[in-house]
Amino acid sequence: DIQMTQSPSSLSASVGDRVTITCRASQSIRNYLNWYQHKPGKAPKLLIYAASNLQSGVPSRFSGSGSGTDFTLTISSLQPEDFATYYCQESYSSPQATFGQGTKLEIK
Amino acid sequence: QVQLVESGGGVVQPGGSLRLSCAASGFSFSDSGMHWVRQTPGKGLEWVSFIRFDGTYQDYANSVKGRFTISRDDSKNTLFLQMNSLRSDDAGVYYCAKEVLGSGLTRFFDYWGQGTLVAVSS
Repeated sequence: DIQMTQSPSSLSASVGDRVTITCRASQSIRNYLNWYQHKPGKAPKLLIYAASNLQSGVPSRFSGSGSGTDFTLTISSLQPEDFATYYCQESYSSPQATFGQGTKLEIK
Repeated sequence: QVQLVESGGGVVQPGGSLRLSCAASGFSFSDSGMHWVRQTPGKGLEWVSFIRFDGTYQDYANSVKGRFTISRDDSKNTLFLQMNSLRSDDAGVYYCAKEVLGSGLTRFFDYWGQGTLVAVSS
């Protein structure tokens, strides 16, 4: 089974900061990697699919990169509404899916 | 607009059963593969189950295989998850999610419901 490891597990940052979250796969998953944002009590929201493709309607301050085993989600300038938990998810095991353990982004 | 609304959660004793439903609207349900994903207390998201758009194929996480059954009723635009032999580690919020297929193995969840809470306690 593929394991997905995110780092850091939690992160404190300020509005306007540039933030990077890393996701590492236990084997190559090529570019089959998606990113989601999840706020308490809300439905998870797709941000990035296939490693670097911005989902329609998602602000351009979000970007994704990487391939193989190492991936990053970058928020170029944090906004108040961006404080949430972020998850990566591989689709190499399709139709099964494995999520990372999540990165909780908190206000400093 | 796309809507996914889960229901059927509640409190159940260990060993008991629950049937979750997910009512879909705003898209062609019969053309869409669907998934269940859960968030267990203190943990992140865990994929649970998948059903192909035409209902001919299902898949399950090892942790629920043999206990959970996914199904769909396209006449009612509804997805189901029958959960039997429930254990304490099955407790959490269960989400249904609509998938999108891209090139190769690209597969992502573009819409999710708000979830239904399952508690397993004696």
